[in-house]
Amino acid sequence: DIQMTQSPSSVSASVGDRVTITCRASQDISSWLAWYQQKPGKAPKLLIYAASSLQSGVPSRFSGSGSGTDFTLTITNLQPEDFATYYCQQANSIPLTFGGGTKVELK
Amino acid sequence: EVQLVETGGGLIQPGGSLRLSCAASGLIVSDNYFNWIRQAPGKGLEWVSVFYSGGNTYYADSVKGRFTITRDNSKNTLYLQMNTLRAEDTAVYYCVRAIRDDFNKVLLGFDYWGQGILVTVSS
Repeated sequence: DIQMTQSPSSVSASVGDRVTITCRASQDISSWLAWYQQKPGKAPKLLIYAASSLQSGVPSRFSGSGSGTDFTLTITNLQPEDFATYYCQQANSIPLTFGGGTKVELK
Repeated sequence: EVQLVETGGGLIQPGGSLRLSCAASGLIVSDNYFNWIRQAPGKGLEWVSVFYSGGNTYYADSVKGRFTITRDNSKNTLYLQMNTLRAEDTAVYYCVRAIRDDFNKVLLGFDYWGQGILVTVSS
């Protein structure tokens, strides 16, 4: 199985900040990576697929990059509604696996 | 508008069985790649199973041999039959549609999620 490692596990930030979350796969997954946002008590929301493709309706302050084993989610100009937990997920092969999550908290 | 509504959760004793249902509207279950994904309390996301539109099914090792994913095309509904339940199966279970890249034959990500249903395995 492909292991997904996210870092950091939590980050403190202020409104307007730029936040970067990294995700590393245990083997090459090409560009088959997705990013999700989850708020407490809610289902996750797809933000990015294929490493850098923005899902319809997602604000352009969210961006993804990377390929192979190393990936990044960047949130520019952090907004109050962006405080949440973020997960990466490899889409390269079954079993599909998720990273452990990164909680973006208010500083 | 797409809606996925899960039912069938609850409290069950270890070793027991439970069947989750996911009624879909706004899309056709048999034309899509539907999954079950779970989240233990306070923990991360774990993919459980997928039902391909063509009929193939796949499972996480943690549930293989105990869980079965099925669908009823006439009811546009997905199911998860869970047998021999364990305490570690306690989680919110989500019914989820995957976006499929047909050319590259990969599931790109999960775009439609149900509200989730809690399954608690405890004596």
